[in-house]
Amino acid sequence: AQSVTQLDSHVSVSEGTPVLLRCNYSSSYSPSLFWYVQHPNKGLQLLLKYTSAATLVKGINGFEAEFKKSETSFHLTKPSAHMSDAAEYFCVVSGPKGTSYGKLTFGQGTILTVHP
Amino acid sequence: ETGVTQTPRHLVMGMTNKKSLKCEQHLGHNAMYWYKQSAKKPLELMFVYSLEERVENNSVPSRFSPECPNSSHLFLHLHTLQPEDSALYLCASSQEMGDSKLAKNIQYFGAGTRLSVL
Repeated sequence: AQSVTQLDSHVSVSEGTPVLLRCNYSSSYSPSLFWYVQHPNKGLQLLLKYTSAATLVKGINGFEAEFKKSETSFHLTKPSAHMSDAAEYFCVVSGPKGTSYGKLTFGQGTILTVHP
Repeated sequence: ETGVTQTPRHLVMGMTNKKSLKCEQHLGHNAMYWYKQSAKKPLELMFVYSLEERVENNSVPSRFSPECPNSSHLFLHLHTLQPEDSALYLCASSQEMGDSKLAKNIQYFGAGTRLSVL
């Protein structure tokens, strides 16, 4: 079975400094991986996805993530944090091979706080 | 906006009430989903509908009853809920490719309904 572990429940950075949100996954096949963001009282918005093309994936709002199969990691980064980046971030892996219809497994989430 | 609209945004109900959550997608997708998001727990998939047919039911109690009258609308009927059912209920939709394919397509989420059961 697949699983996702987000290594930090909370990350706090200063505005203008780099952001690193860590994610490790476990899967017996080549998965699709996603990062979603959830702002307070809002639904989840897709930041970026990896689907076995380029290992460095660029997303919206300056975020990017690198798929490292040897490390089973898919960490999310941004060079310079903005106040509007404060939100909860979810690392997600697609369902087991053979299942259909978008079965996703979500990580526990990382709350990002950005200080002025 | 993501193209997925959920109503109501907030709902407070007693344990003996009957209520329904509504989800509507304007994206022309063929699959819709209900998720439950509880505090300090990962998102839990509840139900999946594809082409109005339920294709997944993740051991959800019968007090939750989904309905998908067409590919654009999804309901979650609630009755005799328990306080532990209080959570954010999220609806999503996607365009899926068929039985034998991994789900590589993106799910678009609504803003959710915040449910409180008293």
